[in-house]
Amino acid sequence: DAKTTQPPSMDCAEGRAANLPCNHSTISGNEYVYWYRQIHSQGPQYIIHGLKNNETNEMASLIITEDRKSSTLILPHATLRDTAVYYCIVRSTGANSKLTFGKGITLSVRP
Amino acid sequence: DGGITQSPKYLFRKEGQNVTLSCEQNLNHDAMYWYRQDPGQGLRLIYYSQIVNDFQKGDIAEGYSVSREKKESFPLTVTSAQKNPTAFYLCASSSLQGTYEQYFGPGTRLTVT
Repeated sequence: DAKTTQPPSMDCAEGRAANLPCNHSTISGNEYVYWYRQIHSQGPQYIIHGLKNNETNEMASLIITEDRKSSTLILPHATLRDTAVYYCIVRSTGANSKLTFGKGITLSVRP
Repeated sequence: DGGITQSPKYLFRKEGQNVTLSCEQNLNHDAMYWYRQDPGQGLRLIYYSQIVNDFQKGDIAEGYSVSREKKESFPLTVTSAQKNPTAFYLCASSSLQGTYEQYFGPGTRLTVT
């Protein structure tokens, strides 16, 4: 599975949009982009995934560039409870494909 | 409530003892996974299973063992052969249809002294 690169940390103000970037320049055609987040001392939580079209659900939006080499997770109105480590993962959806977690990006939402 | 349960949340053991961590799911998922997380690091895959009575090694299987006698249960044994067992252990499950997103339990923090 392709590798991803994320900055180590970022912050944003409560109520503002948080835009979390991810680079995945070696992504191949059958690989999806997944986002998970992990609040301190809890298990990771699935957020969203996409292949090439932009996706939106009740938690977030995922914007994937046309060449699919990068993506951005958008939390439209960040709250203090969104403070967490966010993992961007690239994987195929075959049954034997595994999630490979890097260090992620630590998002700090400030009051 | 559907979900994944891990018990206990905190576990303390003396060096040289084997210890078994519990993981149960009622999501009817075929696949189950065990991960290890060290401070400031991402998750690393220990073992996974896609069907009852079958499992595969992940990236760091040495010093660990698992069993999958029931679809709902995937216990992990940390043996005395594991050199650095103190860590946060996470269990996950997923369907093998659709897009395979994994659902995680709350984790067990194991401390070995």
